[in-house]
Amino acid sequence: NAGVTQTPKFRVLKTGQSMTLLCAQDMNHEYMYWYRQDPGMGLRLIHYSVGEGTTAKGEVPDGYNVSRLKKQNFLLGLESAAPSQTSVYFCASTDSTREAYEQYFGPGTRLTVT
Amino acid sequence: EDQVTQSPEALRLQEGESSSLNCSYTVSGLRGLFWYRQDPGKGPEFLFTLYSAGEEKEKERLKATLTKKESFLHITAPKPEDSATYLCAVLRKGSNYKLTFGKGTLLTVNP
Repeated sequence: NAGVTQTPKFRVLKTGQSMTLLCAQDMNHEYMYWYRQDPGMGLRLIHYSVGEGTTAKGEVPDGYNVSRLKKQNFLLGLESAAPSQTSVYFCASTDSTREAYEQYFGPGTRLTVT
Repeated sequence: EDQVTQSPEALRLQEGESSSLNCSYTVSGLRGLFWYRQDPGKGPEFLFTLYSAGEEKEKERLKATLTKKESFLHITAPKPEDSATYLCAVLRKGSNYKLTFGKGTLLTVNP
C-alpha cells in the first residue's frame, strides 16, 4: 500500500514549456486535490476532484488544468509555464465514504521555471 | 471566508522544554480541525482531527485541544526529532472536503 505517489519528484522548465504532473493513490479514495506550497503563503488549493470524470477550481486555478480519467489518478497540467509557477506541488486524497475527512498527502514535486 | 492563523511563526525550544502552538480560526460551521506535521522536503503527515469544542487528542508527546475559536498543540518534553513545521487546517461543513490551511509554525528543538 503506497498511499499517494507523485511523479516526477523534481523538474526544471523553461518559460513557455508545458508539463504534466501525475498523482496516483491506491486507497480507493473518491476525492483528490492539487495544492501548491510557497514560502510564507502556506498550502493553497489549485484544483480538486470529487470523483472520476469530475474536476473543480480551487483558490488559485489560473494557468493550470486537471483531468481525472481514472479514479486512482489525478493529473495537473501546465500548458505554458511561467516563473510564478515555481513552487512545490502536493497532491492529496480523502476517503469520503466515512466521516473522517483527513487528507493524505504525497511527497511533492519541486518545480522550477526559469 | 474561512481563516486560519497560526502563532508563533517559529519557535525554538530546548530539549525537554514544554510549550504550545496556537491555531486561531474563523469558519462558519466547523466540520473539523486538523493538525499536520511536515518535515523538510516531504508532504504533510496527518496527526489529529478535532471535531467539537472541548475535545482532546494525544499522540506520544503531542496533545491537541479545541475551543470554539482556537486550537492548541501542546508539546510535552520535546525531543530533537519533534523538530518540524506544524500545520493547522479547518474544514467547513458543506465545502466538498476542502481544507483551509494556516501558514504553519516552524518548531526547532535543540539538544
